[in-house]
This record gives sequence, structure tokens and C-alpha cells, in this order.
Amino acid sequence: DTGVSQDPRHKITKRGQNVTFRCDPISEHNRLYWYRQTLGQGPEFLTYFQNEAQLEKSRLLSDRFSAERPKGSFSTLEIQRTEQGDSAMYLCASSLRDRGLWDYGYTFGSGTRLTVV
Amino acid sequence: GQNIDQPTEMTATEGAIVQINCTYQTSGFNGLFWYQQHAGEAPTFLSYNVLDGLEEKGRFSSFLSRSKGYSYLLLKELQMKDSASYLCAVRDSVDNAGNMLTFGGGTRLMVKP
Repeated sequence: DTGVSQDPRHKITKRGQNVTFRCDPISEHNRLYWYRQTLGQGPEFLTYFQNEAQLEKSRLLSDRFSAERPKGSFSTLEIQRTEQGDSAMYLCASSLRDRGLWDYGYTFGSGTRLTVV
Repeated sequence: GQNIDQPTEMTATEGAIVQINCTYQTSGFNGLFWYQQHAGEAPTFLSYNVLDGLEEKGRFSSFLSRSKGYSYLLLKELQMKDSASYLCAVRDSVDNAGNMLTFGGGTRLMVKP
């Protein structure tokens, strides 16, 4: 397994356009998270999936943002009608929660850097 | 609410020791993590504390005091490659509500020759 993969690595888009990012987690991981990080700040939680179910969404996730994880494998994050304030690094992470309810912690992907011009 | 504080920047000399502090006020607590993040790269896991005390892993050690809401990351024998941001993060739940981490703003460490 090559870890958590994110695609694309970089995306430049014009304001008002829609963009979609993809995350492929570690194959045996059942939990998947999306975070957003702006320059000089720590990552901020956006949303989280356990298998295919989206269990938590941050208030940061406006109605222009939508995330899916069909079949509990890869996930997509779509931003509609992008704004300049959406410019950030979008990080995906995955983790494994076992039957004993223990979670072994995150593995992050390298992120997708979005620039809205 | 959740509040995690750490210094914005620190500078240290190659070969020296540096301590990066983190204080937190969170609604729950189920562990504190330290991550290292080089510019433009993903955060990578360094350490995890859930009980009070010191966890040592090679040149890196992390300390936790739950009663004080305080942790520190200690880096010994600093190397130039240790120049990076260090992120403190708290996990505040253990049940089906999730495993979300709340991150501090990060401490940018610059190691000078």
C-alpha cells in the first residue's frame, strides 16, 4: 500500500468555477477525514466518514461544499462556485477503527493545493 | 469550545535542545498528538500521549499533564532537517462520535547552523 493518495496535487481555478478533489485512503482504513489548511495555520476539520456514512460535518462546510465516499473506498470533495477564500491546502487523512473501538491515528495524504484566482 | 495554543515561531541552533509547548482547553480529552510538517508536505505523526508523563522516541520526547492542560515536545541533538512546523492536536472523543483532531496553529521551528 502506498499510503493516502490525493489528486490533483495542485489546482488553479477561476472564481465561480466548480472543482472536485479525490482521496484514496489506505485500503484497510475504514475512517476518512477532510481537513483544510491555510498558510501558517493548523489543519481545520471539515468532515469525516466511517465507511460510506458521513458522520460529522463542520460548520466550516458551507452548502457549496459536498463530500462523498461511495462504497466506503475513495472519497471526493467538491466545491461549487469557488471563492478566493477557498484557496487553501485540502488534506485527506484515513485511520482504522478496529472492533475493540481503538483507533490507530491518522495517516495524511500530501494534500491538494487550491488557488482561486 | 476548543482552544489549543502554541508559539508561532522558534529558533534554535544545530545540536541544541528545544522544547515546544502546547496548552489546550477542550470539551473532552482522549489523547494528544504531535505532528511534524515540512513546508508543502503532509503532516507526519511524531508522538501520542494519553496518560500523564513522558514518552520518549529517539531524539523526540513528548510530555503530558492532563490536570494542567499542557504538553511539550522536546527535540534533542537538533539537525537542520528538523526545520519544520510542529503541530499539537487533541482528540476529544473515543466513541462513535468520531475521531476528529483539533489542531493548534503550529510552531515553525528554524534550526540554524
